[in-house]
Amino acid sequence: GAVVSQHPSWVICKSGTSVKIECRSLDFQATTMFWYRQFPKQSLMLMATSNEGSKATYEQGVEKDKFLINHASLTLSTLTVTSAHPEDSSFYICSALKGGRTGEQYFGPGTRLTVT
Amino acid sequence: QKEVEQNSGPLSVPEGAIASLNCTYSDRGSQSFFWYRQYSGKSPELIMFIYSNGDKEDGRFTAQLNKASQYVSLLIRDSQPSDSATYLCAVLSNQAGTALIFGKGTTLSVSS
Repeated sequence: GAVVSQHPSWVICKSGTSVKIECRSLDFQATTMFWYRQFPKQSLMLMATSNEGSKATYEQGVEKDKFLINHASLTLSTLTVTSAHPEDSSFYICSALKGGRTGEQYFGPGTRLTVT
Repeated sequence: QKEVEQNSGPLSVPEGAIASLNCTYSDRGSQSFFWYRQYSGKSPELIMFIYSNGDKEDGRFTAQLNKASQYVSLLIRDSQPSDSATYLCAVLSNQAGTALIFGKGTTLSVSS
C-alpha cells in the first residue's frame, strides 16, 4: 500500500495567527513530498516541492515566507501558514512521491483551513 | 509550455455503460501517465498509471497510451453511480522534475 496521512483534517483559526499542517507517509519513505492548494470547484494548484533535508522549491507566485515548509525526515513534511488571512482559506493537500523516477504520487486526505 | 488538456465535461453516462475519458499532453518527453479520481470535497486517489504504449487493464479500468499522438485515455466499463467523480489526468515530464502536471479534470456523472 501507499498511505499518506494529514493532520489536522480541518482547522479554523483567527486572522493573523499561524497554522501548521503535518503530512506523513505511513508505509513508505518519501524523499519528496508536494503541497497543493485547491479552491472550491477549481483545479489543484502546486504550491511547492519539499525535499527531505533541503529547502523547498516554491512555484511562481507562492510566498515562501508565508508558507513555510519543513521536510525533516523521510516520512514527515510540514506546512506552516504564517499570519493567515481569510484569503488563505482553502483545501490544502499534500502528496508523497513513491517510486522515484516513475512519478507515482499518493495524496493525503487534505486539510480544510478556514481563517476568520 | 507544459500542458495537459482534458474536456471538463460533464460526461454523462447511464449505469452499466462504458465511460471514456480523454487527455492530451504537449510535452513529447513525458514518461509516466496517471489517472486520479477525486470525489467532491476529497483529495485525489490514484487509480491507474501507465508508462508504455498500449493498454493496461485493472478491473473495470483500462488506461490507453499513445505516445505518438500524445494521447492517454481511461475507459471505465460497467460504470456505476459510485464512479461519479472528477477524473484528473497527470503527466510526469522530464522538464518538470518530479512534479506531475495535472489537467483540470473531467467530471463524470453516472446515472442509475
